[in-house]
Amino acid sequence: ETGVTQTPRHLVMGMTNKKSLKCEQHLGHNAMYWYKQSAKKPLELMFVYNFKEQTENNSVPSRFSPECPNSSHLFLHLHTLQPEDSALYLCASSSRERPGELFFGEGSRLTVL
Amino acid sequence: AQSVAQPEDQVNVAEGNPLTVKCTYSVSGNPYLFWYVQYPNRGLQFLLKYITGDNLVKGSYGFEAEFNKSQTSFHLKKPSALVSDSALYFCVLYLDTGRRALTFGSGTRLQVQP
Repeated sequence: ETGVTQTPRHLVMGMTNKKSLKCEQHLGHNAMYWYKQSAKKPLELMFVYNFKEQTENNSVPSRFSPECPNSSHLFLHLHTLQPEDSALYLCASSSRERPGELFFGEGSRLTVL
Repeated sequence: AQSVAQPEDQVNVAEGNPLTVKCTYSVSGNPYLFWYVQYPNRGLQFLLKYITGDNLVKGSYGFEAEFNKSQTSFHLKKPSALVSDSALYFCVLYLDTGRRALTFGSGTRLQVQP
């Protein structure tokens, strides 16, 4: 139990669906992240939020839309995805007092049909 | 540019034997180095870190890592492997200047055989 909760844990969606992934942390951390983990590929950083402001967008396609309404919650809105977007999506958080040390959620396993 | 290399995709070791998972890095400046572990169908968990001070750092579950500046390495070690150590291990580099981004290695799958 890392204190970072992701829902849903598993999601199957068609290419025309709209769905959202949710992440929340009550660790008092100021930064939140979305990572994509695909089989046989390195972990990919997608987005970084610091105090609700997006500080990094790693050239992610617009069919992925992040939202950070407050420092404790992070969403990833999904729309018209492709089968190659099937992956494990990991949320993480960190505090400025412990730089580089991330607390990860269990991940949301996404399958796009 | 900073980078992390984990030269082995997979390491196999028998239970009770010592294990080493290798990591080398390249960076301008003083790095923070981390090891994370990922058990099947789970997120990544922090294992240990080196920031400054003693080159040998101890972490969770009996793991330790040695920071070697001359060889730019940060190998993960454990004196006696357990079957439950079987997982995916990531070496991670962080530079506390500039972009302050984490750089992940590609991961090494550790398989401990009973």
